[in-house]
Amino acid sequence: DQQVKQNSPSLSVQEGRISILNCDYTNSMFDYFLWYKKYPAEGPTFLISISSIKDKNEDGRFTVFLNKSAKHLSLHIVPSQPGDSAVYFCAALDHNQAGTALIFGKGTTLSVSS
Amino acid sequence: NAGVMQNPRHLVRRRGQEARLRCSPMKGHSHVYWYRQLPEEGLKFMVYLQKENIIDESGMPKERFSAEFPKEGPSILRIQQVVRGDSAAYFCASSSTARRNSPLHFGNGTRLTVT
Repeated sequence: DQQVKQNSPSLSVQEGRISILNCDYTNSMFDYFLWYKKYPAEGPTFLISISSIKDKNEDGRFTVFLNKSAKHLSLHIVPSQPGDSAVYFCAALDHNQAGTALIFGKGTTLSVSS
Repeated sequence: NAGVMQNPRHLVRRRGQEARLRCSPMKGHSHVYWYRQLPEEGLKFMVYLQKENIIDESGMPKERFSAEFPKEGPSILRIQQVVRGDSAAYFCASSSTARRNSPLHFGNGTRLTVT
């Protein structure tokens, strides 16, 4: 039973345009959300996070929006660059979980063409 | 400043053999996490360890899998009597604290293939 869902397996965007990656969750005990980026044959690298007490967090070209009532978050990348082509994982933390044991979605593969 | 080091990068085992996966966390990090990624899936939490202690093993299969993080040396994920379904990428991550907003730093993984 997937608690974190990324329903779009892939997304193609032109360089310079906006990329919007979506993530839905089912567990109302999730209170912290993160996005990780993964290149082939490498481990995931942390991108940006948001606490459930906020609805937006911005870091350079990356912005994460959280809609708690809809149990939905999205990652916006603008402008998109070819180097952004990677798999993007949405992850969540359960309020009751020890430490930082993340629950991941299946990922969305972003392809940015020049 | 070395990141999280995992070895081997690739491991091939026949059914029934044992697999040992090693993880050296980032310098100064005492919290280690193991995740498994099956084909076409996201990463699934397996176990969370601090030095010499297992804090949360709720994601570990009940049989054949064990993990340790000794006082000296790397963390080890051990899989006994491997089966084809164990074929996956195993990622280790570390953090400096158990603070919930402390991002995890991942290694590049060990790809286990069971033939």
